[in-house]
Amino acid sequence: AQSVTQPDARVTVSEGASLQLRCKYSYSATPYLFWYVQYPRQGLQLLLKYYSGDPVVQGVNGFEAEFSKSNSSFHLRKASVHWSDSAVYFCAVSTGFASALTFGSGTKVIVLP
Amino acid sequence: NAGVIQTPRHKVTGKGQEATLWCEPISGHSAVFWYRQTIVQGLEFLTYFRNQAPIDDSGMPKERFSAQMPNQSHSTLKIQSTQPQDSAVYLCASSIGTGSYEQYFGPGTRLTVL
Repeated sequence: AQSVTQPDARVTVSEGASLQLRCKYSYSATPYLFWYVQYPRQGLQLLLKYYSGDPVVQGVNGFEAEFSKSNSSFHLRKASVHWSDSAVYFCAVSTGFASALTFGSGTKVIVLP
Repeated sequence: NAGVIQTPRHKVTGKGQEATLWCEPISGHSAVFWYRQTIVQGLEFLTYFRNQAPIDDSGMPKERFSAQMPNQSHSTLKIQSTQPQDSAVYLCASSIGTGSYEQYFGPGTRLTVL
Protein backbone atom coordinates (compact mmCIF):
# COMPACT_ATOMS: atom_id res chain seq x y z
CA ALA A 1 0.00 0.00 0.00
CA GLN A 2 1.11 3.52 -0.64
CA SER A 3 1.67 6.24 1.93
CA VAL A 4 2.68 9.89 2.09
CA THR A 5 4.58 11.63 4.86
CA GLN A 6 4.71 15.36 5.39
CA PRO A 7 7.07 15.77 8.34
CA ASP A 8 6.32 19.40 9.06
CA ALA A 9 2.91 20.07 10.56
CA ARG A 10 3.45 23.82 10.58
CA VAL A 11 5.85 26.21 8.85
CA THR A 12 6.13 29.91 9.54
CA VAL A 13 7.85 32.20 7.05
CA SER A 14 8.14 35.92 6.51
CA GLU A 15 6.56 37.52 3.48
CA GLY A 16 9.06 37.61 0.64
CA ALA A 17 11.08 34.69 1.98
CA SER A 18 11.43 31.36 0.22
CA LEU A 19 9.41 28.33 1.16
CA GLN A 20 10.05 24.61 0.95
CA LEU A 21 7.57 21.97 2.03
CA ARG A 22 8.73 18.39 2.31
CA CYS A 23 6.91 15.32 1.08
CA LYS A 24 8.05 11.71 1.10
CA TYR A 25 6.05 8.94 -0.49
CA SER A 26 6.13 5.19 -0.30
CA TYR A 27 5.04 3.24 -3.35
CA SER A 28 6.80 0.44 -5.17
CA ALA A 29 5.68 1.31 -8.71
CA THR A 30 5.45 4.55 -10.65
CA PRO A 31 3.70 7.15 -8.54
CA TYR A 32 1.55 9.99 -9.78
CA LEU A 33 2.17 12.89 -7.43
CA PHE A 34 0.22 16.01 -6.58
CA TRP A 35 0.27 19.05 -4.37
CA TYR A 36 -3.02 20.56 -3.30
CA VAL A 37 -3.71 23.70 -1.26
CA GLN A 38 -6.65 24.26 1.05
CA TYR A 39 -7.70 27.71 2.17
CA PRO A 40 -9.96 28.06 5.22
CA ARG A 41 -13.46 26.66 4.72
CA GLN A 42 -12.71 25.70 1.13
CA GLY A 43 -12.05 22.52 -0.78
CA LEU A 44 -8.71 21.42 -2.16
CA GLN A 45 -7.20 23.23 -5.13
CA LEU A 46 -4.67 21.54 -7.38
CA LEU A 47 -1.31 23.32 -7.38
CA LEU A 48 0.70 20.99 -9.59
CA LYS A 49 1.16 17.41 -10.66
CA TYR A 50 3.93 15.06 -11.71
CA TYR A 51 3.42 12.08 -13.96
CA SER A 52 6.76 11.59 -15.71
CA GLY A 53 9.58 13.40 -17.49
CA ASP A 54 11.32 16.52 -16.19
CA PRO A 55 11.55 16.10 -12.43
CA VAL A 56 10.89 19.79 -11.83
CA VAL A 57 7.30 20.76 -12.50
CA GLN A 58 5.80 24.20 -12.47
CA GLY A 59 2.44 24.96 -10.93
CA VAL A 60 0.17 27.89 -10.30
CA ASN A 61 1.09 31.07 -8.43
CA GLY A 62 4.85 30.54 -8.73
CA PHE A 63 4.98 27.14 -7.05
CA GLU A 64 7.22 24.37 -8.32
CA ALA A 65 8.03 20.88 -7.10
CA GLU A 66 10.88 18.50 -7.64
CA PHE A 67 10.48 14.75 -7.91
CA SER A 68 13.30 12.50 -6.75
CA LYS A 69 12.92 8.79 -7.32
CA SER A 70 16.06 7.97 -5.38
CA ASN A 71 14.80 9.86 -2.33
CA SER A 72 11.11 9.03 -2.83
CA SER A 73 10.38 12.69 -2.43
CA PHE A 74 8.30 15.40 -4.04
CA HIS A 75 9.18 18.67 -2.33
CA LEU A 76 7.29 21.88 -3.01
CA ARG A 77 9.04 25.25 -3.34
CA LYS A 78 8.27 28.88 -3.85
CA ALA A 79 10.92 31.55 -4.23
CA SER A 80 9.05 34.42 -2.57
CA VAL A 81 5.88 33.94 -0.56
CA HIS A 82 2.98 36.34 -0.24
CA TRP A 83 0.62 36.66 2.72
CA SER A 84 -2.09 35.05 0.58
CA ASP A 85 -0.04 31.82 0.50
CA SER A 86 -1.08 31.17 4.09
CA ALA A 87 -2.99 27.89 3.86
CA VAL A 88 -2.68 24.15 4.40
CA TYR A 89 -0.76 22.24 1.75
CA PHE A 90 -1.29 18.56 1.05
CA CYS A 91 0.92 16.18 -0.86
CA ALA A 92 -0.88 13.23 -2.46
CA VAL A 93 -0.11 10.12 -4.47
CA SER A 94 -2.21 8.18 -6.93
CA THR A 95 -1.36 4.71 -8.06
CA GLY A 96 -3.00 4.85 -11.43
CA PHE A 97 -5.76 5.94 -13.71
CA ALA A 98 -8.81 7.17 -11.83
CA SER A 99 -7.54 5.78 -8.53
CA ALA A 100 -8.13 7.21 -5.10
CA LEU A 101 -5.63 9.70 -3.77
CA THR A 102 -3.64 8.99 -0.63
CA PHE A 103 -2.86 12.20 1.21
CA GLY A 104 -0.22 13.29 3.64
CA SER A 105 -1.24 14.91 6.89
CA GLY A 106 -0.75 18.40 5.54
CA THR A 107 1.52 21.32 6.36
CA LYS A 108 0.02 24.54 7.62
CA VAL A 109 1.91 27.55 6.24
CA ILE A 110 1.73 30.86 8.05
CA VAL A 111 3.16 33.87 6.26
CA LEU A 112 4.08 36.74 8.56
CA PRO A 113 3.94 40.34 7.31
CA ASN B 1 -17.48 25.72 -15.68
CA ALA B 2 -18.96 25.80 -12.20
CA GLY B 3 -16.59 23.22 -10.75
CA VAL B 4 -17.73 20.45 -8.45
CA ILE B 5 -20.87 21.44 -6.59
CA GLN B 6 -21.68 20.09 -3.16
CA THR B 7 -24.87 20.68 -1.23
CA PRO B 8 -25.58 21.52 1.46
CA ARG B 9 -22.44 23.34 2.57
CA HIS B 10 -23.34 22.81 6.20
CA LYS B 11 -25.62 20.26 7.80
CA VAL B 12 -26.45 19.78 11.45
CA THR B 13 -28.20 16.60 12.53
CA GLY B 14 -29.18 15.08 15.81
CA LYS B 15 -27.74 11.77 16.88
CA GLY B 16 -29.62 8.96 15.18
CA GLN B 17 -30.93 11.04 12.29
CA GLU B 18 -30.14 10.48 8.63
CA ALA B 19 -27.95 12.75 6.52
CA THR B 20 -27.80 12.86 2.72
CA LEU B 21 -25.01 14.74 1.02
CA TRP B 22 -25.11 15.68 -2.66
CA CYS B 23 -22.38 16.07 -5.21
CA GLU B 24 -22.58 17.31 -8.80
CA PRO B 25 -19.35 16.54 -10.69
CA ILE B 26 -17.84 18.68 -13.40
CA SER B 27 -19.70 18.11 -16.63
CA GLY B 28 -17.96 15.49 -18.75
CA HIS B 29 -16.04 13.95 -15.86
CA SER B 30 -16.55 10.22 -15.61
CA ALA B 31 -15.10 9.50 -12.15
CA VAL B 32 -16.47 10.70 -8.82
CA PHE B 33 -14.73 10.27 -5.49
CA TRP B 34 -15.82 10.83 -1.89
CA TYR B 35 -13.39 11.67 0.92
CA ARG B 36 -13.82 12.55 4.59
CA GLN B 37 -11.67 15.11 6.38
CA THR B 38 -11.24 15.33 10.14
CA ILE B 39 -8.63 16.92 12.35
CA VAL B 40 -7.64 13.57 13.82
CA GLN B 41 -7.69 11.31 10.77
CA GLY B 42 -6.92 13.84 8.06
CA LEU B 43 -8.14 13.12 4.53
CA GLU B 44 -9.56 9.63 4.09
CA PHE B 45 -10.85 8.02 0.93
CA LEU B 46 -14.35 6.61 1.17
CA THR B 47 -15.57 5.44 -2.22
CA TYR B 48 -15.56 6.10 -5.94
CA PHE B 49 -17.56 5.63 -9.10
CA ARG B 50 -16.51 5.44 -12.70
CA ASN B 51 -19.16 5.91 -15.39
CA GLN B 52 -21.70 5.70 -12.57
CA ALA B 53 -20.58 2.20 -11.54
CA PRO B 54 -19.19 1.68 -8.03
CA ILE B 55 -15.54 0.73 -8.35
CA ASP B 56 -14.00 0.88 -4.90
CA ASP B 57 -15.72 1.35 -1.56
CA SER B 58 -12.87 0.08 0.58
CA GLY B 59 -12.86 3.22 2.70
CA MET B 60 -16.54 3.23 3.52
CA PRO B 61 -17.57 2.25 7.04
CA LYS B 62 -19.44 -1.02 6.69
CA GLU B 63 -22.43 0.12 8.62
CA ARG B 64 -24.66 3.14 8.13
CA PHE B 65 -22.79 4.60 5.11
CA SER B 66 -23.88 4.18 1.51
CA ALA B 67 -23.22 5.98 -1.75
CA GLN B 68 -24.97 6.04 -5.07
CA MET B 69 -24.57 7.60 -8.46
CA PRO B 70 -27.93 7.30 -10.20
CA ASN B 71 -26.89 9.40 -13.19
CA GLN B 72 -23.80 11.12 -14.54
CA SER B 73 -24.74 14.46 -13.05
CA HIS B 74 -24.90 13.62 -9.38
CA SER B 75 -23.83 11.33 -6.58
CA THR B 76 -25.14 11.03 -3.05
CA LEU B 77 -23.56 9.92 0.20
CA LYS B 78 -26.07 8.78 2.80
CA ILE B 79 -25.33 8.28 6.46
CA GLN B 80 -28.00 6.54 8.47
CA SER B 81 -28.35 6.88 12.22
CA THR B 82 -25.64 9.54 12.40
CA GLN B 83 -23.26 9.49 15.35
CA PRO B 84 -21.08 12.29 16.77
CA GLN B 85 -17.99 10.58 15.34
CA ASP B 86 -19.44 11.08 11.84
CA SER B 87 -18.89 14.82 12.24
CA ALA B 88 -16.44 15.80 9.51
CA VAL B 89 -16.09 17.63 6.24
CA TYR B 90 -17.15 15.39 3.38
CA LEU B 91 -15.40 16.22 0.12
CA CYS B 92 -16.44 15.16 -3.33
CA ALA B 93 -14.02 15.19 -6.26
CA SER B 94 -14.32 14.40 -9.92
CA SER B 95 -11.85 13.39 -12.57
CA ILE B 96 -12.16 13.47 -16.31
CA GLY B 97 -11.15 9.83 -16.30
CA THR B 98 -9.49 8.98 -19.57
CA GLY B 99 -5.74 9.49 -19.35
CA SER B 100 -6.03 11.77 -16.36
CA TYR B 101 -5.08 11.24 -12.76
CA GLU B 102 -5.82 14.58 -11.15
CA GLN B 103 -8.99 15.19 -9.21
CA TYR B 104 -10.93 18.41 -8.77
CA PHE B 105 -12.58 18.98 -5.44
CA GLY B 106 -15.78 20.62 -4.37
CA PRO B 107 -15.99 22.95 -1.37
CA GLY B 108 -17.15 20.16 0.93
CA THR B 109 -20.12 19.61 3.21
CA ARG B 110 -19.47 20.18 6.90
CA LEU B 111 -21.56 17.68 8.84
CA THR B 112 -22.08 18.28 12.54
CA VAL B 113 -23.83 15.60 14.57
CA LEU B 114 -25.06 16.82 17.93
